[in-house]
Amino acid sequence: RKEVEQDPGPFNVPEGATVAFNCTYSNSASQSFFWYRQDCRKEPKLLMSVYSSGNEDGRFTAQLNRASQYISLLIRDSKLSDSATYLCVVTLNTGGFKTIFGAGTRLFVKA
Amino acid sequence: GAVVSQHPSWVICKSGTSVKIECRSLDFQATTMFWYRQFPKQSLMLMATSNEGSKATYEQGVEKDKFLINHASLTLSTLTVTSAHPEDSSFYICSARALDLGAMGGYTFGSGTRLTVV
Repeated sequence: RKEVEQDPGPFNVPEGATVAFNCTYSNSASQSFFWYRQDCRKEPKLLMSVYSSGNEDGRFTAQLNRASQYISLLIRDSKLSDSATYLCVVTLNTGGFKTIFGAGTRLFVKA
Repeated sequence: GAVVSQHPSWVICKSGTSVKIECRSLDFQATTMFWYRQFPKQSLMLMATSNEGSKATYEQGVEKDKFLINHASLTLSTLTVTSAHPEDSSFYICSARALDLGAMGGYTFGSGTRLTVV
């Protein structure tokens, strides 16, 4: 089992749609959780951190369920510019910080 | 915010030559820098963790004699791909974490280096 697993994708949605990304992690000692966005041939950029109580930033909502070891990202009213790969990222502290990336889920938003 | 400068952005080299990639933290001190490799349509794979003033820690399957890492200062880490071969062609990215952002601070990535070995 992979340490961080994401929906395989790709997701193809029309503009204005709501799309949800799911991510599970295997190590219960995981400490920090993030969603990153990566455009084609570019470096990943932090989209948002994921807090235990859930957090929202405009059209984006992230949620964490530690009991189920599950993280989600919801994008409302999707825009063409949301087309990218979304990476679920988990960090552990096993004597040193270890960062584990999910394989990413590709999103295509179409007009 | 925290910025990591990586260069070169792209490089084409002949098989058998060595290539050095630099990553600098511009406005923060990075005691630890991470080096990743990403092949087309795949996720980032951690190659090694670079610690300032000590030897790097390599992930399983990554040859430390081939991918030389130097982290001589708190703001600079370098990755040298020695005797590069076509199969080393990939997108190499460094990242660092600004300590003052606390446990919830995300990682900042360099802009990546696209290496093509011909």
